[in-house]
This record gives sequence, structure tokens and C-alpha cells, in this order.
Amino acid sequence: DSGVTQTPKHLITATGQRVTLRCSPRSGDLSVYWYQQSLDQGLQFLIQYYNGEERAKGNILERFSAQQFPDLHSELNLSSLELGDSALYFCASSVGLRMSTDTQYFGPGTRLTVL
Amino acid sequence: AQTVTQSQPEMSVQEAETVTLSCTYDTSESDYYLFWYKQPPSRQMILVIRQEAYKQQNATENRFSVNFQKAAKSFSLKISDSQLGDAAMYFCAFAHGGSQGNLIFGKGTKLSVKP
Repeated sequence: DSGVTQTPKHLITATGQRVTLRCSPRSGDLSVYWYQQSLDQGLQFLIQYYNGEERAKGNILERFSAQQFPDLHSELNLSSLELGDSALYFCASSVGLRMSTDTQYFGPGTRLTVL
Repeated sequence: AQTVTQSQPEMSVQEAETVTLSCTYDTSESDYYLFWYKQPPSRQMILVIRQEAYKQQNATENRFSVNFQKAAKSFSLKISDSQLGDAAMYFCAFAHGGSQGNLIFGKGTKLSVKP
């Protein structure tokens, strides 16, 4: 158990809908990262927040947005969902803000299925 | 742009034997870090080993070691005395050493361990 929690574990929804994925980082970690893992694209970095502020952006679509709240939990919002958004979404956390030197601890992921 | 290539989609090893997973990367940067992550059937990503590009010595973590060939841009993972619990997807990853370097993953290698 990494100490990172993600809810829900599974989510099934329809095209055009909007969903919110939630992540609680390990106690003491200030950075939260979001990743998407799909068969087509592999594992891709989406976005990083550090202590409430956006820190780095990867291949995140404009239909997707995220935020980190004062209690450091984070939410990833996915809107106007398409079939291709079906994937496993991971959250990870680390103490610091550097992806190179700070070990990231991954959550168990949220499996999103868009029908 | 940095790329990470894992040319072996699947590998198999006999229990107690040694296996080497390959990874090559492309970058023009001099300050970077390389990683191997393990994703068992539980889906949770686990950091196996990290290598700093500026270090000549190959990183080692118990039965896991790397062969880092900087000039050839090669970063292979050797698993010694393979165990059934080593069966998983293994991802090679790259991160720029700067404060905003993203974590870039290869497509992964599925390792099977035969009893």
C-alpha cells in the first residue's frame, strides 16, 4: 500500500458526460501528479500540482482539468467524454516538486470506461 | 523531444534465472534521470530503481541492477534470481533533471516467470 488513495476504483459512464476523479496523497506529500494509461497511448503524464498550484503540464486535453485543494487532495475533471478517454487514471504523490529526484508513490488507479 | 523505447513487448524467464530487459532513450540533455517501474497485476506502479545520468556507477537494488550505457543511450534492467512475484509489466522512464522535467514512459515489457 503506497498511502495514496483514489476514488472511485471503477467508473462507467456515457459519451458526452463529465466525471470527477479524486486523489488523496500520502501524508506529508505536497505534489500530486495525474497520469493516463491506455492501450493506444501507453502511460502519459497529464499534470502536476504542488502545494495547490499547477506546476507542470503534459499531454492533458483541454476537456480535462485538475485542481489541488488546501487539504492537498486533488481532483481530475474529465468532460465531454469520448470513447477514447477510456483508460486507467493514476494519481501519484511526492514530497517535493521534482519528478527527477523525488520518488513518486502511485495510487491504485481509477478505471474509466466510456460507453 | 525525449523518447523512451522498449523493444521487447514480452519476455519470459525461468524461476531463479536471470533476465535482462532493454530500454533505449533519446535526449539532447545532459542532466537527466532514468527509472524502472514495475506494474504487477494489481496495477499499482512501483519504483524499482533510479539512475542519475551524472553517475557512472550502475544503480543496484537487491536483485535488481541496471546497465547504464550513457554514450549508447541504453538503460537495461537485470533481474537476478527471478521470483514468481517479479511477474509484471516493467516500464522504463526518463525525466529531465530540471525542476519541470516530465516523466516520460516507454511502452512497457511484460515479464512472465515460469516455475
